[in-house]
Amino acid sequence: GAGVSQTPSNKVTEKGKYVELRCDPISGHTALYWYRQSLGQGPEFLIYFQGTGAADDSGLPNDRFFAVRPEGSVSTLKIQRTERGDSAVYLCASSLTPDGTDTQYFGPGTRLTVL
Amino acid sequence: AQSVAQPEDQVNVAEGNPLTVKCTYSVSGNPYLFWYVQYPNRGLQFLLKYITGDNLVKGSYGFEAEFNKSQTSFHLKKPSALVSDSALYFCAVRDLFSGGYQKVTFGTGTKLQVIP
Repeated sequence: GAGVSQTPSNKVTEKGKYVELRCDPISGHTALYWYRQSLGQGPEFLIYFQGTGAADDSGLPNDRFFAVRPEGSVSTLKIQRTERGDSAVYLCASSLTPDGTDTQYFGPGTRLTVL
Repeated sequence: AQSVAQPEDQVNVAEGNPLTVKCTYSVSGNPYLFWYVQYPNRGLQFLLKYITGDNLVKGSYGFEAEFNKSQTSFHLKKPSALVSDSALYFCAVRDLFSGGYQKVTFGTGTKLQVIP
């Protein structure tokens, strides 16, 4: 079956611009997660959705970052007034439920470069 | 707070030899442990997980991992390495309290290089 998909695969923007990154989870998965992976590091948690609501957004670095999941499926990560330090690979994952035993399946990521 | 340590940035092994990628963890409660592999310019692929039960967990592509509670370790192993196993490997932990959602914490990754 289809896995997690993310678009675009690459995004280059200028400092100060607004960007949107899209994630399409595995069909039927209720839990969705966003991570950020900087060069040479492991993924760092940003936000978690259960259904339409953000159940844990404690990993968002500041209020320039925002994410939505209006219909409980596709999610969009939004970054305002981008900074060079936002450059990273943004990974999305989904799991059937948020239960700790459930595996998170990852998408290929969006590589964001802020010039 | 939960944490994961992968003490080796890189592991080199000759093709056909056994390989081990090390991982230690720290949690307050009982751990759920995961291994993922990442190939260049691709997302993380799930390899295996430990939830409960048998300490030796078998996963995809011939990989296995051994949960050792006394040493708080979850080392990834394979009896005979392939060149195609060369990739970046991540260990991850979830700290289980009373069920429900718990954040996953990843290690910094270990680059495995299998030499032909």
